[in-house]
Amino acid sequence: RKEVEQDPGPFNVPEGATVAFNCTYSNSASQSFFWYRQDCRKEPKLLMSVYSSGNEDGRFTAQLNRASQYISLLIRDSKLSDSATYLCVVTYGGSQGNLIFGKGTKLSVKP
Amino acid sequence: SQTIHQWPATLVQPVGSPLSLECTVEGTSNPNLYWYRQAAGRGLQLLFYSVGIGQISSEVPQNLSASRPQDRQFILSSKKLLLSDSGFYLCAWSRGGFAFFGQGTRLTVV
Repeated sequence: RKEVEQDPGPFNVPEGATVAFNCTYSNSASQSFFWYRQDCRKEPKLLMSVYSSGNEDGRFTAQLNRASQYISLLIRDSKLSDSATYLCVVTYGGSQGNLIFGKGTKLSVKP
Repeated sequence: SQTIHQWPATLVQPVGSPLSLECTVEGTSNPNLYWYRQAAGRGLQLLFYSVGIGQISSEVPQNLSASRPQDRQFILSSKKLLLSDSGFYLCAWSRGGFAFFGQGTRLTVV
């Protein structure tokens, strides 16, 4: 079982739609969780951290479910500019320098 | 503020030639440093990570090597490039789980 798994997509949605991605992780000792965004042919950039209580940043909401070992990202009122690949990242005190990246979920927002 | 520099942005190299990609970080000390490779349309593949000077961990067997001669310098090298080494190479540093990436080097081996 892979340590961090994401549905690769693509998720093709119309502008204004609400879309949600999940990411599952296998290590119950995982400590921190993040969502990154990667535009085509660019480096990944931090989108938001994910907390157990859930957190919101504008149209973006992130949730963590430790019992089921998954994190989620919800995007409301999708914009064309939201088109990108969204990577989840899990950290824990093990190997790989503590960072484990998912392979990403591709989102394409259509007009 | 912290910044990460990676160069060059693009590189075209013949098969069998050597490679040296350099990454430097400013504004922080003793960062965890990483080299990733991303093939076209694929996810990030961790190649090497370092938690300190001279400490290199390799995740994938290959003809690449890494070195960390200074606290904030991380170098990716190869003695002889293969066609399969083509890809997008990303350097990153992290602290507390937050990771920050350089702008990447797009390497094409021909």
